[in-house]
Amino acid sequence: AQTVTQSQPEMSVQEAETVTLSCTYDTSESDYYLFWYKQPPSRQMILVIRQEAYKQQNATENRFSVNFQKAAKSFSLKISDSQLGDAAMYFCAYTDNNNDMRFGAGTRLTVKP
Amino acid sequence: DSGVTQTPKHLITATGQRVTLRCSPRSGDLSVYWYQQSLDQGLQFLIQYYNGEERAKGNILERFSAQQFPDLHSELNLSSLELGDSALYFCASSVDSVKTDTQYFGPGTRLTVL
Repeated sequence: AQTVTQSQPEMSVQEAETVTLSCTYDTSESDYYLFWYKQPPSRQMILVIRQEAYKQQNATENRFSVNFQKAAKSFSLKISDSQLGDAAMYFCAYTDNNNDMRFGAGTRLTVKP
Repeated sequence: DSGVTQTPKHLITATGQRVTLRCSPRSGDLSVYWYQQSLDQGLQFLIQYYNGEERAKGNILERFSAQQFPDLHSELNLSSLELGDSALYFCASSVDSVKTDTQYFGPGTRLTVL
C-alpha cells in the first residue's frame, strides 16, 4: 500500500532563514504525483507545490522548492527566506492513477521573529 | 481563497443525531472529494464524486453517505453520530476525474459531537 511518512513532527526556523521539511513515500507505481499542502491556523488546506514523478526537474514556486529524489522515494520541501506567515502545518501527499490521495502525518513549522 | 465553499463552518450536535455538510466546487470543476481530518487518524479520504456519479470510495463508514447534485454541489450526510465522528471535514474539487488531478480544498466544516 502507498504510504507517506513525515518524520519531523515539528520544525522551527528563524525568520529570513531557510528550512527543509522531509517526506518519504512508498509505492510500486511508476507514474504518480506528489504535493505539499500548507494548513495555517485558519485550518484551510492550501496547495504549496506539485511534482509529477515523470519530471526530472524539481518544482519551484517562488520561495518554495522541492528536492525530488525518485530512486530514494524522497520529496522534501525547502522554504527560503522564511516569513512569519509560513508558520503552519505542512502535509506531504501522494496520489497515482490507481489510488486515492494519501497524506503524511504533517510537520508543524514555527517561524521565530 | 481556493474557490471551494463549504457550509456550515461549525456544527455542534449530539450523539445519535444526523447532520448534512454542503460543498460547492470551484467553477468548472466536475469532481468533488470528501476528507475527514481527526487528531488520531490524520487526513483520510472518504469518497469522490465525478459529474454526479460516485467514482471512488475510501474509509467511509456505512453511517455516512454523500451525493453530488446536477449543479455539481455535494452533500455529505453523517447519521447516528458518535463522539468519535468529531473532526474537521474537508471538501476538495478538481477539474477532471483522474486521481492525479490537483485538488483544491475548501475551508472545512468543524463538527463537534457532544
